[in-house]
Amino acid sequence: SQELEQSPQSLIVQEGKNLTINCTSSKTLYGLYWYKQKYGEGLIFLMMLQKGGEEKSHEKITAKLDEKKQQSSLHITASQPSHAGIYLCGADDVSGSARQLTFGSGTQLTVLP
Amino acid sequence: DGGITQSPKYLFRKEGQNVTLSCEQNLNHDAMYWYRQDPGQGLRLIYYSQIVNDFQKGDIAEGYSVSREKKESFPLTVTSAQKNPTAFYLCASSKRDISNEQFFGPGTRLTVL
Repeated sequence: SQELEQSPQSLIVQEGKNLTINCTSSKTLYGLYWYKQKYGEGLIFLMMLQKGGEEKSHEKITAKLDEKKQQSSLHITASQPSHAGIYLCGADDVSGSARQLTFGSGTQLTVLP
Repeated sequence: DGGITQSPKYLFRKEGQNVTLSCEQNLNHDAMYWYRQDPGQGLRLIYYSQIVNDFQKGDIAEGYSVSREKKESFPLTVTSAQKNPTAFYLCASSKRDISNEQFFGPGTRLTVL
């Protein structure tokens, strides 16, 4: 089965600083999803990437999928306290008979005011 | 408004008791999923269903059971056979089209006393 490794596990930044979270796969990524989770709540969909070299942005968050489709990064520009939470990457697991998502362990982001 | 609801938000159970977690969606999605999340870990798939009256085991199905009698509903029963049931449980649904984007409910926190 596919395994996703996220780094760092936790991140503490000062408000206004830029940051990057990485998600690395042991296999080719056919669909890569980024989600955000507030503690004790459900996951909120951020972005989905499918093509090698693809890049998407929403407000101050940019996600990229490398050309080899084995690594994705999530970059936040000028971080704000509202960006705090857990960021999880998920990937289409095409090894099974049904389409499922395999998730990384998450990155805990704290933004200090 | 369309979405996924889970109830209750918090649930307490004595050892040896079965308990059922509710998940309802009005998004007209075919596929539904149950995940378990433990502190510092990502999501692990318990069961999933792609169509009414059909469901498959995920990675950690032991000690859990589900039913899918209606498209809108996918309840999860945590049985007394589950040795470590205290966790945060998340339900999700998806369209099963080109994108495997999953929409998540707010979660249920189960604590075994």
